[in-house]
Amino acid sequence: QARLQQSGPGLVKPSQTLSLTCAISGDSVSRNGAAWNWVRQSPSRGLEWLGRTFYQSQWVHQYAESVKSRIAINPDTSKNQFSLQLNSMTSEDTAVYYCVRGASWGRGWYFDLWGRGTLVTVSA
Amino acid sequence: EVVLTQSPATLSLSPGERATLSCRASQSVSSYLAWYQQKPGQAPRLLIYDASNRATGIPARFSGSGSGTDFTLTISSLEPEDFAVYSCQQRSNWPRTFGQGTKLEIK
Repeated sequence: QARLQQSGPGLVKPSQTLSLTCAISGDSVSRNGAAWNWVRQSPSRGLEWLGRTFYQSQWVHQYAESVKSRIAINPDTSKNQFSLQLNSMTSEDTAVYYCVRGASWGRGWYFDLWGRGTLVTVSA
Repeated sequence: EVVLTQSPATLSLSPGERATLSCRASQSVSSYLAWYQQKPGQAPRLLIYDASNRATGIPARFSGSGSGTDFTLTISSLEPEDFAVYSCQQRSNWPRTFGQGTKLEIK
């Protein structure tokens, strides 16, 4: 049974960088046919997809336009995990952050495995 | 980006009743739509993919229908564990987007 285990701070100061890690067990970050995503959820914005990374002959990174200038999602094959870095945090970035696996179901990829979530609060 | 509008925002029903939840897309997403269930303090769980296919382990009382811009999630006979928030999500266009959710509460 695959699992995603999140780690990282729950409190970030304004203008600083959020760093979260998602450790994968029961699957591989390098597996063809899986993508590794970050999704956040807040009362004001609901569920919001932030970006993903996946391996397809080389590593591919895709990001939401809303955060594209300040986000990085990177794999770590030696530890079988992936990470989120989000720079220049503001109060609008306060949310629960989830790491999520995208896998092939039927005609496309859907979010079928979720981490437990990390509540990140941006406050001085 | 594709905007998904769910209705109603809140649905109050009793166990044993039938629930019908709606998701409308601002443009066609073909059948590339999923439904998720989320309970308090938990992450979403995939219920339905490609508009009408149940994910592994999802009971047969959950069914999805629709294509293009109008989609429906139906729970044929509510069990106590079904009271939760349900969200739709499209994978037709980038960025992937979610509806704002329908809260299914006990009447």
